[in-house]
Amino acid sequence: DAKTTQPTSMDCAEGRAANLPCNHSTISGNEYVYWYRQIHSQGPQYIIHGLKNNETNEMASLIITEDRKSSTLILPHATLRDTAVYYCIVWAGNTPLVFGKGTRLSVIA
Amino acid sequence: NAGVTQTPKFRVLKTGQSMTLLCAQDMNHEYMYWYRQDPGMGLRLIHYSVGEGTTAKGEVPDGYNVSRLKKQNFLLGLESAAPSQTSVYFCASTWDIWNTIYFGEGSWLTVV
Repeated sequence: DAKTTQPTSMDCAEGRAANLPCNHSTISGNEYVYWYRQIHSQGPQYIIHGLKNNETNEMASLIITEDRKSSTLILPHATLRDTAVYYCIVWAGNTPLVFGKGTRLSVIA
Repeated sequence: NAGVTQTPKFRVLKTGQSMTLLCAQDMNHEYMYWYRQDPGMGLRLIHYSVGEGTTAKGEVPDGYNVSRLKKQNFLLGLESAAPSQTSVYFCASTWDIWNTIYFGEGSWLTVV
């Protein structure tokens, strides 16, 4: 059963911030929120993860609501190369990573 | 540093034939995984291994076997290929369950 809900697809203008939402209302206290992306025909690539605090790295920012029931991945300045399927995963680490269908982000010039 | 390497990248099989996909990693990772991805779908876990000599079933293990005789290699076998096994296969590995998972570039398998 899917533990996360993501929109099927989103568009974003090049140079603008891309905000990808994820609902995980049944998340447990020991589960992290992970984001991976898959560029066409390639293997998935790790982006970022967090438990309850907001996180930022060179690729993106992760904003987790205080109740941890939802989160948003932010790509601050989307480029055409960010066009990909983005997977939001909640994971406690005691089982292998399970991927849902993700959000297909199209960055438009 | 090659990372995670999958062999072969492309293969066409006839129904009933057998074959083995090889996944090799040079990062000394303990954990290794095999996923399949059908068109328009997410990744589904076939089998995984938590260390040399160990294997475990994932979400869709039927029709596949695996072996982890050496830490750096994880083999996925199809004993009698079926058209339903036409898919893209991804191998992945990580140091432990709390670390980033690294994926290979995929192996495209067509069963006719």
